[in-house]
Amino acid sequence: KAGVTQTPRYLIKTRGQQVTLSCSPISGHRSVSWYQQTPGQGLQFLFEYFSETQRNKGNFPGRFSGRQFSNSRSEMNVSTLELGDSALYLCASSVPTGDNEQFFGPGTRLTVL
Amino acid sequence: AQSVTQPDIHITVSEGASLELRCNYSYGATPYLFWYVQSPGQGLQLLLKYFSGDTLVQGIKGFEAEFKRSQSSFNLRKPSVHWSDAAEYFCAVAPPGGGSYIPTFGRGTSLIVHP
Repeated sequence: KAGVTQTPRYLIKTRGQQVTLSCSPISGHRSVSWYQQTPGQGLQFLFEYFSETQRNKGNFPGRFSGRQFSNSRSEMNVSTLELGDSALYLCASSVPTGDNEQFFGPGTRLTVL
Repeated sequence: AQSVTQPDIHITVSEGASLELRCNYSYGATPYLFWYVQSPGQGLQLLLKYFSGDTLVQGIKGFEAEFKRSQSSFNLRKPSVHWSDAAEYFCAVAPPGGGSYIPTFGRGTSLIVHP
């Protein structure tokens, strides 16, 4: 069974631009979560989608948004990029009715210049 | 709300030495507990998990962890470290029962292995 895939793996943007990251979960997984990982703040939860609905949300500004499609693929969008948005963005999928073990993708490394 | 503390930011061990990474959690009942490992530039991989039952849990890559309710701890151990074990290790806690919750992750412990 293929793992969680994320595209692109690396991205360089400038301040003020917007960016869209994509995540394809493991087949059969309907829950997709997004995390931001930085050296200073560690792993921070952004939001979780289940059946195309945002079910949980972390403490991030409205510039961070996401969505999930009917095939469970998910995208997250960051508008008006700031230098502090530079991070590794991780996507994780899970079977929400089980033990909620998170299966992580390799991440997208976003650099904002 | 649950929380996780990994007291050690960095740990350095020699190859072949034993390893113990500490994890303390805060939660009213016995939560689900996880240990993940992250190699540079990669996502997180699950090493092991605890839900209930035997308090000593065996995982992949020769790792084990022991749940101690009285100490609210879930420490990760390995009897003999290999150079390839150098990575970031994360402890996570989640409410029992599954469903619509998100695990809370610790800040991580960076393991450095000296030859």
